[in-house]
Amino acid sequence: AQTVTQSQPEMSVQEAETVTLSCTYDTSESNYYLFWYKQPPSRQMILVIRQEAYKQQNATENRFSVNFQKAAKSFSLKISDSQLGDTAMYFCASPDYNQGGKLIFGQGTELSVKP
Amino acid sequence: DAGITQSPRHKVTETGTPVTLRCHQTENHRYMYWYRQDPGHGLRLIHYSYGVKDTDKGEVSDGYSVSRSKTEDFLLTLESATSSQTSVYFCAISEEGTFYHEQYFGPGTRLTVT
Repeated sequence: AQTVTQSQPEMSVQEAETVTLSCTYDTSESNYYLFWYKQPPSRQMILVIRQEAYKQQNATENRFSVNFQKAAKSFSLKISDSQLGDTAMYFCASPDYNQGGKLIFGQGTELSVKP
Repeated sequence: DAGITQSPRHKVTETGTPVTLRCHQTENHRYMYWYRQDPGHGLRLIHYSYGVKDTDKGEVSDGYSVSRSKTEDFLLTLESATSSQTSVYFCAISEEGTFYHEQYFGPGTRLTVT
């Protein structure tokens, strides 16, 4: 079965510093995408970044970047220059292509950015 | 932002009553999903749709039914609400024809069953 695991339930970081959130996954697909979603206190799920498994270059979106290690099935999210607005729950997710692309989510990491 | 709305946004209902949640999209996307979010479980799929009148079950489908009579609307019905169905419900959509099934989410509906 496809799985996604986030082993850090909570993390905190000082404003302007860098933090890395971990995610591991397991899939039998040869090509696939991975996603990080952010859920702030408003509850809205917001797509932060995506990574295609065939692409060797790590994805970057402004202050957000990933470290994708395909052989190790690891997909971590790095947030640089952390801002108070980054305080949120972060979910790693992988589509199950055998079930209409439903997303398999990790358990989430609650990130607090402190002033 | 993707055009996805959910109604109602909040609802309190009594055990045993039927409840219908509505998801409406303006993006003309083929795939629509209903998830529930509970503490300690993350988001779990209830049902999904891959076209008008085409639906399939997810991992937590017991006690729920869905219908999709138009591309833009996906309804989730709790046939006889129970306290275990107290949760936050999210609708999501994804594009047809894309391999990656990137999903966009509605704002969520908080349902309380008393």
